[in-house]
Amino acid sequence: DADVTQTPRNRITKTGKRIMLECSQTKGHDRMYWYRQDPGLGLRLIYYSFDVKDINKGEISDGYSVSRQAQAKFSLSLESAIPNQTALYFCATSSSETQYFGPGTRLLVL
Amino acid sequence: RKEVEQDPGPFNVPEGATVAFNCTYSNSASQSFFWYRQDCRKEPKLLMSVYSSGNEDGRFTAQLNRASQYISLLIRDSKLSDSATYLCVAYNAGNMLTFGGGTRLMVKP
Repeated sequence: DADVTQTPRNRITKTGKRIMLECSQTKGHDRMYWYRQDPGLGLRLIYYSFDVKDINKGEISDGYSVSRQAQAKFSLSLESAIPNQTALYFCATSSSETQYFGPGTRLLVL
Repeated sequence: RKEVEQDPGPFNVPEGATVAFNCTYSNSASQSFFWYRQDCRKEPKLLMSVYSSGNEDGRFTAQLNRASQYISLLIRDSKLSDSATYLCVAYNAGNMLTFGGGTRLMVKP
């Protein structure tokens, strides 16, 4: 079984819709992260959490919110999706310098 | 200017060739560095760490030059399976990773 899982793996939605992306991990790590990846721009940090109830903004948090419901779960919400949020979204976990990524969620906003 | 910069490539090389990628970083306070490998449509995975003394792992060698603020990755005897995008990553205070845009490598038969 994968250590870091993301659901859904693919999602198509319409402008203005609310959408939630889920991340779960079985690695026992305290730190969790959400990134988005766009062609040529690499991975950019959206939000991160170092423990339950700890939430921090990353480089590009506008238009997104997160919830750390438990040590193993970190969800990302788009309150009102817009087309430029079309991207590949990755969740990651770490206990030190090395981060372990989930398989990604491919999101298309029409 | 991006904090971690890479040539996006693609680098097209024949099997067996030696290929090198460079990466530059602008934050002199970056503590350590990594190379991650990302296959098409897959998640990034740690390839190797890069410390001040450099690091070698089989056919892969990573070097760090703090004076010039660049990191390199050398791949010897390239294999078809080495085809991927290689991400240069800087680790900064606050447990943050900053990613470069990636360098795409294509190894041809």
